Amino acid sequence: SQTIHQWPATLVQPVGSPLSLECTVEGTSNPNLYWYRQAAGRGLQLLFYSVGIGQISSEVPQNLSASRPQDRQFILSSKKLLLSDSGFYLCASSGQFYSPLHFGNGTRLTVT
Amino acid sequence: DAKTTQPNSMESNEEEPVHLPCNHSTISGTDYIHWYRQLPSQGPEYVIHGLTSNVNNRMASLAIAEDRKSSTLILHRATLRDAAVYYCIPTFQGAQKLVFGQGTRLTINP
Repeated sequence: SQTIHQWPATLVQPVGSPLSLECTVEGTSNPNLYWYRQAAGRGLQLLFYSVGIGQISSEVPQNLSASRPQDRQFILSSKKLLLSDSGFYLCASSGQFYSPLHFGNGTRLTVT
Repeated sequence: DAKTTQPNSMESNEEEPVHLPCNHSTISGTDYIHWYRQLPSQGPEYVIHGLTSNVNNRMASLAIAEDRKSSTLILHRATLRDAAVYYCIPTFQGAQKLVFGQGTRLTINP
């Protein structure tokens, strides 16, 4: 079965600093990959998804970007963090032809 | 994607069955109905999915109305560990993305 690795588990960053969150997937090849964000007390917001290396679809315009340099690696980045970027960031993976999503344990980001 | 309506919150007692409803009146014929749940401070986890027939697995049962405009997730004997937000998500097979709504927050009383 798929295993999603995300790190770090928690992160505190000052406003204006850069961000790089990495997600790697084991147990599958050529997965669909996703970044979701959950602000405190809110629902899950889909930020980016990727169906293959170098293919990124953005769902919400913002100061975040995503990249997929390898088949099972998905990176979420920002050049300058805003206070509103605080939240719980989750990476997820699924098979190419819809199969259940598997989520990582998430990174809780606090921008101060 | 089909729109869904779920109660914001529900409450039940430990060791009793729980029926979590979901209305998806705009569902199309090829949409599967997926249920996920999110325990506190964790990412969502897959619970069950189905198309037309009722489905059972070790976690829950899914009852789908004959017209497919609604479905019910059934937890046969709730435990405190079942306290979570439950999401109902209709989507067509092969969909590249899964969009979560607000879900139902289930509280289990001891």
